[in-house]
Amino acid sequence: SQQGEEDPQALSIQEGENATMNCSYKTSINNLQWYRQNSGRGLVHLILIRSNEREKHSGRLRVTLDTSKKSSSLLITASRAADTASYFCATPPILTGGGNKLTFGTGTQLKVEL
Amino acid sequence: GAGVSQSPRYKVAKRGQDVALRCDPISGHVSLFWYQQALGQGPEFLTYFQNEAQLDKSGLPSDRFFAERPEGSVSTLKIQRTQQEDSAVYLCASSPRSGSGNTIYFGEGSWLTVV
Repeated sequence: SQQGEEDPQALSIQEGENATMNCSYKTSINNLQWYRQNSGRGLVHLILIRSNEREKHSGRLRVTLDTSKKSSSLLITASRAADTASYFCATPPILTGGGNKLTFGTGTQLKVEL
Repeated sequence: GAGVSQSPRYKVAKRGQDVALRCDPISGHVSLFWYQQALGQGPEFLTYFQNEAQLDKSGLPSDRFFAERPEGSVSTLKIQRTQQEDSAVYLCASSPRSGSGNTIYFGEGSWLTVV
């Protein structure tokens, strides 16, 4: 079963604009991860934010985490056509011994138009 | 190799046929995962290996699904008597160590269509 949901399900913007995607999850977490998936390809790890962090940056990516609301957001600034992809949030189990078994959200399909 | 390699990339199987999907993880990676991704959905966990030990198979949908990693490197996911609902992308992933903070590296998937 999915851990949570991304919002919106689909997003279409113009190149140069910012894109914001939201993720809600259901259970307590140690960290939350964001992945990108280009059409027909595997997933690529983008960024990991720990439960004691509120914000994290990586290049044009900014991730926030609000554990009180069980939500996270991914902001892509100055979007490019190459950012067109599906974006998923994912969380590992909080219990030790659970490995890095991830539970994924439903994904946001981002389309960046020229 | 440089990344996680999966084969075949595409497989069309007749209903009732058995299929085997192969995963070559990144060399030296301890953890190996299989996920199933239906069209338009996020990946769903199937099973997890730490070296050759299958520590979690809670996501396998039925006893028709079987996975192995006998020498702690290459893994095979086998689906017996395939059904149409088995049509999906099967993603393999590996991680250098166990533990929830380690980056997971995904292969490009094996696309299974059952007709």
